[in-house]
Amino acid sequence: GALVYQYPRRTICKSGTSMRMECQAVGFQATSVAWYRQSPQKTFELIALSTVNSAIKYEQNFTQEKFPISHPNLSFSSMTVLNAYLEDRGLYLCGARGGANSDYTFGSGTRLLVI
Amino acid sequence: GDSVTQTEGQVALSEEDFLTIHCNYSASGYPTLFWYVQYPGEGPQLLFRASRDKEKGSSRGFEATYDKGTTSFHLRKASVQESDSAVYYCALSRPTGGNNKLTFGQGTVLSVIP
Repeated sequence: GALVYQYPRRTICKSGTSMRMECQAVGFQATSVAWYRQSPQKTFELIALSTVNSAIKYEQNFTQEKFPISHPNLSFSSMTVLNAYLEDRGLYLCGARGGANSDYTFGSGTRLLVI
Repeated sequence: GDSVTQTEGQVALSEEDFLTIHCNYSASGYPTLFWYVQYPGEGPQLLFRASRDKEKGSSRGFEATYDKGTTSFHLRKASVQESDSAVYYCALSRPTGGNNKLTFGQGTVLSVIP
């Protein structure tokens, strides 16, 4: 079956430092990868959508300068939270899918705590 | 922009009670509608989807019918179990510029008391 692994599961970083999280697709080719953030008491906010052979599209309020994303092949993606502050804490979810007609499979997320 | 509204933030039921979680959406055209379930410590899992007006999606005893007239996709289950306790998200997807972006509702926490 299609699985998505995210690591680390939890991480703590000091305010002002950066943190990289990774997303691995197993059992399918991840042509599209979506990165979401779930902040405390909030729903999932889409950060950016990455599709192979297309430019990464960031949503309003999220920028490449703050959340650089790499999607180098059909099984892997990473995102870095640069210069993290308290408002960046939350659960970061990676969703991947194999094509336009397939559904997203989500990982269990990386929980970021900022101190 | 597209949006999804879930009326209930929290629902507490006893086992074998009937469940309804209301979902209304705002989007042009014919979006695809989804219900996801999220258990503690996990990412959201797809329950089911529907793509056309009057289409019914169902899985594990849960069901919802796409209603374009009322722009709704309410989740129902006739008899809930303790194991159904989780957070439920209604979502929609509409192709924009060649990509399908998923927009989620706020989520509804379901607690089923044995």
